[in-house]
Amino acid sequence: GNSVTQMEGPVTLSEEAFLTINCTYTATGYPSLFWYVQYPGEGLQLLLKATKADDKGSNKGFEATYRKETTSFHLEKGSVQVSDSAVYFCALNSGYSTLTFGKGTMLLVSP
Amino acid sequence: GAVVSQHPSWVICKSGTSVKIECRSLDFQATTMFWYRQFPKQSLMLMATSNEGSKATYEQGVEKDKFLINHASLTLSTLTVTSAHPEDSSFYICSARGTGLDEQYFGPGTRLTVT
Repeated sequence: GNSVTQMEGPVTLSEEAFLTINCTYTATGYPSLFWYVQYPGEGLQLLLKATKADDKGSNKGFEATYRKETTSFHLEKGSVQVSDSAVYFCALNSGYSTLTFGKGTMLLVSP
Repeated sequence: GAVVSQHPSWVICKSGTSVKIECRSLDFQATTMFWYRQFPKQSLMLMATSNEGSKATYEQGVEKDKFLINHASLTLSTLTVTSAHPEDSSFYICSARGTGLDEQYFGPGTRLTVT
């Protein structure tokens, strides 16, 4: 079956530090890959996505590249801000409408 | 953007009672709605998928007689936890997808505590 594994948090960084949140997956076929973000008290929001190998999704300074050879979709940002503090979920969709999520990684950014 | 609301945001009920959670799409017609359950520090687990006007499709291991889902209109789906017990305490999240929309839009979640 499908599964998503992402690094456990919390990840604690100072403002302007470089961020990497690792995500690897197991899936049949050729899944689409997503990163969602959940700010405190709010619902999940789609941050970025990639639908095929070597695609790079990007949004708000965040990037992730679909690596089929390593079955990975690591999230990166060059300079984090306090406002980036949230929980980040990696997810995949293997052709059906349902999403398979990782456990989420909390990011805490201090000034 | 597409907005999904949930009500209530937090509910406490006594063991043995039933509680209803509403999920509404505010600015689009949700042809498909999804209900998830999230335990602390755990992933979102899909409970069921419902299409407007049809019976919900439950994931394996989810008791359909305990978690009643109704999707009677294009803007409203409800999840009723019947005869709730403390082990049903969890964070319940809905999402919705509409015609022409290629992604799911998530509600803010409802925290259920059963005492």
